[in-house]
Amino acid sequence: DAGVIQSPRHEVTEMGQEVTLRCKPISGHDYLFWYRQTMMRGLELLIYFNNNVPIDDSGMPEDRFSAKMPNASFSTLKIQPSEPRDSAVYFCASTTIAGGGSAKTIQYFGAGTRLSVL
Amino acid sequence: AQSVTQPDIHITVSEGASLELRCNYSYGATPYLFWYVQSPGQGLQLLLKYFSGDTLVQGIKGFEAEFKRSQSSFNLRKPSVHWSDAAEYFCAVVGGAAGNKLTFGGGTRVLVKP
Repeated sequence: DAGVIQSPRHEVTEMGQEVTLRCKPISGHDYLFWYRQTMMRGLELLIYFNNNVPIDDSGMPEDRFSAKMPNASFSTLKIQPSEPRDSAVYFCASTTIAGGGSAKTIQYFGAGTRLSVL
Repeated sequence: AQSVTQPDIHITVSEGASLELRCNYSYGATPYLFWYVQSPGQGLQLLLKYFSGDTLVQGIKGFEAEFKRSQSSFNLRKPSVHWSDAAEYFCAVVGGAAGNKLTFGGGTRVLVKP
């Protein structure tokens, strides 16, 4: 399997522009997670989906952020309008339920998208 | 709420020397624990995990970790470090009220001296 695929790897944009980050999870995985990594706050979970349905979006910083999962093989994280403080590395991860309990899961991460908002 | 603390932000170690990275967690039940490694410009790769059973778990790249319930710790070790081990290491916990949400520690950046 190719693993979790994120695009683009790097994105440079100007403040106020719309930014769309993309993620293709591992085939067969039914959970998808979006994380943000910054020096100040470390790794933060933004939102996660189960079977394409958003389960917990409590980590989404504000209304400028939105995420969708139109099908099992694709998800987007959109920032509109973008601000310089949104500059970070955004990771997507996917997993599926292992035997013995829902928490015994290993999340597989993509390589991330490094976003710079000028 | 569960939390993970990695007390050491940076560690410098000589190549060939041993390495130990500390991880302490706060969790109300039996935790499911993970160590991930992030090489520069890369995503996170799972090194090892602890779900239950033997408290000493072996992982990839020669790493091992020991779960100590009495100390709420899950420290990562490697007997002899290679230059390629220079990276950032994250301890994480999942489960309980948080369901499938991973809670990460702040990370420890490891620098390997020749």
